[in-house]
Amino acid sequence: GGIITQTPKFLIGQEGQKLTLKCQQNFNHDTMYWYRQDSGKGLRLIYYSITENDLQKGDLSEGYDASREKKSSFSLTVTSAQKNEMAVFLCASSIRLGGLGEQYFGPGTRLTVL
Amino acid sequence: GDQVEQSPSALSLHEGTGSALRCNFTTTMRAVQWFRKNSRGSLINLFYLASGTKENGRLKSAFDSKERYSTLHIRDAQLEDSGTYFCAAEAGTGGYKVVFGSGTRLLVSP
Repeated sequence: GGIITQTPKFLIGQEGQKLTLKCQQNFNHDTMYWYRQDSGKGLRLIYYSITENDLQKGDLSEGYDASREKKSSFSLTVTSAQKNEMAVFLCASSIRLGGLGEQYFGPGTRLTVL
Repeated sequence: GDQVEQSPSALSLHEGTGSALRCNFTTTMRAVQWFRKNSRGSLINLFYLASGTKENGRLKSAFDSKERYSTLHIRDAQLEDSGTYFCAAEAGTGGYKVVFGSGTRLLVSP
């Protein structure tokens, strides 16, 4: 079996700060995803990537950048953290190109902006 | 836009009983996946369906793309089944789009 790791586990930032979240998977999956989860809501797709160096926008891409440096890693950047923002960012991967496939999730990065 | 309505938002069950969670879709979906969020906050895969039904132990899921719904049945509920359950669906329209339900908080009590 494989594993998805996300770093850091907890991220505390200041308003206006640029923050980067990292995700690594060793499933050898083609597709990787970044989701945001707010309390009481379902996950919302920020960015996804169907292969190395590919990048596709999700519904929530504004305010974020992403980078698929290599097949196993997918990073997400919050370009300017919003004051009092709190959310969990979840990374996922799946074997299928471009489709939902069977997604496997990382443990999440919990963001708090002071 | 594409939406998923998940119900109920919260559910209380006594051990040994059962119930069903449901996701209704506003458009045709290509596939659905059900997850459970564990105590550490990780999302655990339960089922992935492109059609029909799947069963695993005390859980059973069905997906009807034409009728635009999916269900997750839990029978003989156990205390460890408590948690938040999410459905996620892949839109069948052009391009790629995944939408998640808002979750069902299940509490199983003795």
